[in-house]
Amino acid sequence: AQSVTQLGSHVSVSEGALVLLRCNYSSSVPPYLFWYVQYPNQGLQLLLKYTSAATLVKGINGFEAEFKKSETSFHLTKPSAHMSDAAEYFCAVSDEGGYNKLIFGAGTRLAVHP
Amino acid sequence: EAGVAQSPRYKIIEKRQSVAFWCNPISGHATLYWYQQILGQGPKLLIQFQNNGVVDDSQLPKDRFSAERLKGVDSTLKIQPAKLEDSAVYLCASSRLGDVAYNEQFFGPGTRLTVL
Repeated sequence: AQSVTQLGSHVSVSEGALVLLRCNYSSSVPPYLFWYVQYPNQGLQLLLKYTSAATLVKGINGFEAEFKKSETSFHLTKPSAHMSDAAEYFCAVSDEGGYNKLIFGAGTRLAVHP
Repeated sequence: EAGVAQSPRYKIIEKRQSVAFWCNPISGHATLYWYQQILGQGPKLLIQFQNNGVVDDSQLPKDRFSAERLKGVDSTLKIQPAKLEDSAVYLCASSRLGDVAYNEQFFGPGTRLTVL
């Protein structure tokens, strides 16, 4: 069955530092991969997605992610953290059964301190 | 365009009581999803509708949960009777169609349910 593992339930960085949020997936077929962000008391918002085109995907708010098939990874990065990036981030993978369903990881809460 | 609307935003009930949540998707979106997000976990799909038909309800606890989408627009999710482990945020999402690669899911703000 499809699964997504996000390493680190909490990540803390200084403002201006590199953000790296890790995501590994298990899939027997080429998946579609997604990163979502959730701000407090709000729904999820799509940051970026990989759908088998370019392996380096750029998203909103300066985030990007690279699909590495050999490592079954799709880590999210941002060169310079901003205070407004503090939120919870979810990695998701499409279901093998028909690409109509998303399987979410447990999430990583990002804290940004001055 | 208006986003996905959900109500109520918060609900506190005693165990064994019943509760209902309402969702109004983005206009024109054929696909509607209900997710359960337990504290510390990612969202888990409970049920997916395409227009007013159920596409996937494999993870819906059907002995206590029910959902409907009358006329292919608004949807309600009901829990009867509620258990302590049902405490979670219930998220509604909608998309134009069901293929996740080409149809972004837009999420509502969720309903936070506390079962005492």
